[in-house]
Amino acid sequence: AQKITQTQPGMFVQEKEAVTLDCTYDTSDPSYGLFWYKQPSSGEMIFLIYQGSYDQQNATEGRYSLNFQKARKSANLVISASQLGDSAMYFCAMRERDTGRRALTFGSGTRLQVQP
Amino acid sequence: DVKVTQSSRYLVKRTGEKVFLECVQDMDHENMFWYRQDPGLGLRLIYFSYDVKMKEKGDIPEGYSVSREKKERFSLILESASTNQTSMYLCASSLGTGWDYTFGSGTRLTVV
Repeated sequence: AQKITQTQPGMFVQEKEAVTLDCTYDTSDPSYGLFWYKQPSSGEMIFLIYQGSYDQQNATEGRYSLNFQKARKSANLVISASQLGDSAMYFCAMRERDTGRRALTFGSGTRLQVQP
Repeated sequence: DVKVTQSSRYLVKRTGEKVFLECVQDMDHENMFWYRQDPGLGLRLIYFSYDVKMKEKGDIPEGYSVSREKKERFSLILESASTNQTSMYLCASSLGTGWDYTFGSGTRLTVV
């Protein structure tokens, strides 16, 4: 079963506008972490933001925030005031604590294009 | 800063060749991972290792093997490369049960 689902293969946004990238996940583990990574055309994976399943507040890092809705099992990334440099692939990922597997499981990604 | 270095950025190999992809990390991380990335599929876990000489199969291990003789080095081996193994390969590492992951820059492998 797909553990991480990103339903938007591609998104366009105008410069300076906000954009939401969707991510839903599936787990029966009560303890897990959710991650978002950015991958520019150069290929490196850049960590953006992390949300723990027991965190009471939504995570924020500068222009990035994670809209965590635990009951709906969604962890959407919100980028405020988009910049041209935000054009990249974005991946949602999860790690479950109790399985003992320390690897991240990734979604299929969303390609974001910021238009001037 | 933790650095994960993949020895080749681009690689072109022939069908049937034995291919080694090397990954080295410099921060004494216990955990190392190999992923392949394909359009529309995201990153999929091939193999991982929590310790020297230890390896575990990931989600798509078929056609691959790994070697971890030293803590800092994790090698991905394609015993007999096939065209369906043309992909981007990403190595990553992390410390113990920690939640910080560092990725290499990737190796784009083309098998012709």
